[in-house]
Amino acid sequence: AQSVTQLGSHVSVSEGALVLLRCNYSSSVPPYLFWYVQYPNQGLQLLLKYTSAATLVKGINGFEAEFKKSETSFHLTKPSAHMSDAAEYFCAVSENGRAAGNKLTFGGGTRVLVKP
Amino acid sequence: DAGVTQSPTHLIKTRGQQVTLRCSPKSGHDTVSWYQQALGQGPQFIFQYYEEEERQRGNFPDRFSGHQFPNYSSELNVNALLLGDSALYLCASSLGWSSGNTIYFGEGSWLTVV
Repeated sequence: AQSVTQLGSHVSVSEGALVLLRCNYSSSVPPYLFWYVQYPNQGLQLLLKYTSAATLVKGINGFEAEFKKSETSFHLTKPSAHMSDAAEYFCAVSENGRAAGNKLTFGGGTRVLVKP
Repeated sequence: DAGVTQSPTHLIKTRGQQVTLRCSPKSGHDTVSWYQQALGQGPQFIFQYYEEEERQRGNFPDRFSGHQFPNYSSELNVNALLLGDSALYLCASSLGWSSGNTIYFGEGSWLTVV
C-alpha cells in the first residue's frame, strides 16, 4: 500500500524567506504526485502535480516541486514567502497503473505560519 | 465555470441518526470521489463513483454508502452516526478515473455528531 510522509506538522517562516515543505512517498512504482493547499475553513486547491513529464514541476503562486526517484521525495519550495501563503499544505499520491484509478492517498499535512 | 459544489456546508446530527451529503461535480467532469478529513489530519478516501457505479472504496464501513446520478452528481450517506464521524467531508471530481487525472475539490460539508 502506498503511504505519504510529510516531515514537520508545523513550519514557521519569515516573510520573504524560503519555504521548504518535505514529502516522501512509499510506492513500488513511481506514482503520480500532487501538492494541495488548504486555507482555513476551505476545501483543497491544487498547487501542482507530477505525472512523469519533467522532474521539476512549476505550480501556481510561485511554488515548485522536484521529483527525486532515488530519494522517493517530492519536496515543495517557494523562494520567497508571502503572508498569503499561511495555510496547510498536503502532499498526495495516486497509484500509477492502468487499472489503478485516481484515488489520492494524503500525507498528514504541514501547517505553514508566515511571520512578518 | 462552476467548480465542485457541496451542500449543506454545515450540519449537526445526533448519534444514531443518518445523514445525506450532496455534491455536484465541476462542469464536464464525470467522476466523483468522497473524502473524510478529521480535524488536524489529511483527507482519507471513502469511495469513488463513475458511470453510476462504485469503482473504488477505501477502508470505511458499510455505514458509508453513496450514489451517483445520471447527471454525475452524487450523494454520500452515513447511517448510525458515531461521534467519530464528525469531520469535514470533501467531494472531488475529475474527468475519468484514470490514475494521474487532476482531481478538484469542493469546499466541503462540516458534519458534527453530538
